[in-house]
Amino acid sequence: DIQMTQSPASLSASLGETVTIECRASEDIYNGLAWYQQKPGKSPQLLIYIANSLHTGVPSRFSGSGSGTQYSLKINSLQSEDVASYFCQQYYNYPWTFGGGTKLELK
Amino acid sequence: QVNLQESGPGIVKPSQPLSVTCSVTGYSITTSYYYWNWIRKFSGNKLEWMGYIRYDSSIYYNPSLKSRISITRDTSKNQFFLQLNTVTTEDTAVYYCARHYDGTFDYWGQGVMVTVSS
Repeated sequence: DIQMTQSPASLSASLGETVTIECRASEDIYNGLAWYQQKPGKSPQLLIYIANSLHTGVPSRFSGSGSGTQYSLKINSLQSEDVASYFCQQYYNYPWTFGGGTKLELK
Repeated sequence: QVNLQESGPGIVKPSQPLSVTCSVTGYSITTSYYYWNWIRKFSGNKLEWMGYIRYDSSIYYNPSLKSRISITRDTSKNQFFLQLNTVTTEDTAVYYCARHYDGTFDYWGQGVMVTVSS
């Protein structure tokens, strides 16, 4: 299985700040990577696919980048509604696997 | 609007089967080229993809569950089902159904908590 290592596990940031979350795959996943946001008590919501493509309706302050085994999710100008957990997921190979998640809180 | 809704037993005794239903509205589960998935989330935030049933009824399971899992569907009701056999306390989780297209899960149900306990 491809292991997805996400960092940091938790993060505290201020409103308006820029935040970056990292995801490392145990092997090359050729941009087969998605990012999800999960707010408390809600189901995950797709943010980014193919590593850097913004899903329909997702604010442009979210962006994804990376290649090979290293990927990142950046949130510009942090808003209060961005408080959530964030997960990466690889779909390059079966079984599809998720990162351990990053819990983002407001400072 | 695509909507998925899980329903399940809440509590299951160890060694018994766990069964969860996903009812889909707003989209046919036989529409090409969508896959209909089960994903679970454990306490501590870990997500595990369990398997899917495709629009054409073919199935793929996570090898870690292959001996215990079964995913089926009823196209007349636009539902698909998860059965997980011989459960233990380690199967306690929130169970989600989700639609998959081109690698990603674009619609999810709200999730149903299933606790394995005697």
